[in-house]
Amino acid sequence: GQNIDQPTEMTATEGAIVQINCTYQTSGFNGLFWYQQHAGEAPTFLSYNVLDGLEEKGRFSSFLSRSKGYSYLLLKELQMKDSASYLCAVRDGDYKLSFGAGTTVTVRA
Amino acid sequence: ETGVTQTPRHLVMGMTNKKSLKCEQHLGHNAMYWYKQSAKKPLELMFVYNFKEQTENNSVPSRFSPECPNSSHLFLHLHTLQPEDSALYLCASSQGGRTGAEEQYFGPGTRLTVT
Repeated sequence: GQNIDQPTEMTATEGAIVQINCTYQTSGFNGLFWYQQHAGEAPTFLSYNVLDGLEEKGRFSSFLSRSKGYSYLLLKELQMKDSASYLCAVRDGDYKLSFGAGTTVTVRA
Repeated sequence: ETGVTQTPRHLVMGMTNKKSLKCEQHLGHNAMYWYKQSAKKPLELMFVYNFKEQTENNSVPSRFSPECPNSSHLFLHLHTLQPEDSALYLCASSQGGRTGAEEQYFGPGTRLTVT
């Protein structure tokens, strides 16, 4: 089976940095995705890593270490609108994505 | 607006009812997906269609029956559901290729309550 772990909840203050970790054990690996999901809305794509290293996209960065089965999503200069659930997902086949349970991030003023 | 629409947005049905969920994508994609999202649980993949052919059935009970008449439309037919089937049902689409980021675009979901 697939095992994807991420913390349930994190809280941070506006302007701060938060790092959401994700560890995975899957039968195959064809890339790792991060999605953002605001309450009551659809998940939206944030980032994709298939090679080791850091991918930066504005205030958001994502890191992957395939040998360690580990990724993190880094959110910088936090804003209130960043309060959402962040989903880690591993593509372990041609089309199949296996998701973690999500990390709810609360940004406080 | 993500280019993937779902109807209805909310549905309440009894255990003996038959209903259908509809998904439509306007992105020119070839792969479509049904997911189930329950509170505090990971998104669970239910079905995958690629070029109208079902490529994945993730051990879903037969009371859920998918239909994909073309690459733009996907249905989920529901009958004799159980209360534990209450959840948010999300539809997604992707390009359908086997390489690259292959990000999936999600619809807003149908909130289903089985009474």
